[in-house]
Amino acid sequence: IAGITQAPTSQILAAGRRMTLRCTQDMRHNAMYWYRQDLGLGLRLIHYSNTAGTTGKGEVPDGYSVSRANTDDFPLTLASAVPSQTSVYFCASSASISGGNEQFFGPGTRLTVL
Amino acid sequence: GQNIDQPTEMTATEGAIVQINCTYQTSGFNGLFWYQQHAGEAPTFLSYNVLDGLEEKGRFSSFLSRSKGYSYLLLKELQMKDSASYLCAVRDSNYQLIWGAGTKLIIKP
Repeated sequence: IAGITQAPTSQILAAGRRMTLRCTQDMRHNAMYWYRQDLGLGLRLIHYSNTAGTTGKGEVPDGYSVSRANTDDFPLTLASAVPSQTSVYFCASSASISGGNEQFFGPGTRLTVL
Repeated sequence: GQNIDQPTEMTATEGAIVQINCTYQTSGFNGLFWYQQHAGEAPTFLSYNVLDGLEEKGRFSSFLSRSKGYSYLLLKELQMKDSASYLCAVRDSNYQLIWGAGTKLIIKP
């Protein structure tokens, strides 16, 4: 693994189904983030984790949950998918939340909820 | 509320110079980032400004004025591969990034 990976690359999901998007980084970064990107809107933060064992809510957390059991993995779960959750989901990580530490992004998961 | 404004789309000619502006109103300020995003790909980091002034990195430069809530990204010697969206993001008082919707830059030969 090099950098940050996400799975699946894309998914079509029936409304009401449960779905977990996976994210793994091998850079030993402390902070990790989940964003959604919709046409015409900026990236919006769903949830974040400043360090393993802690998580926080971002701008649009409703309908999503996360866990951070270890440094490398940060899965995002949709408990019961709805069509408004159709979006491109990006996972990102950074060494820390402060300073000039840039966020590195995974390749994204394109999710369609029907 | 928090707000990041940047033009939706700009067009420029190969070899020319283009300036992409970003204005922001956020709760606190802990740095401003510019990212590049090619269609269908993930954003990649371009620059970071936390103090007023110009940061130069090769063909790309970024400027910040905290008192005016203003930044710009300057791209010189434009190449066709610079066709992409350019995203402005501000880290607020909670150390979360607030993102603009991005500026789609179209380069014409």
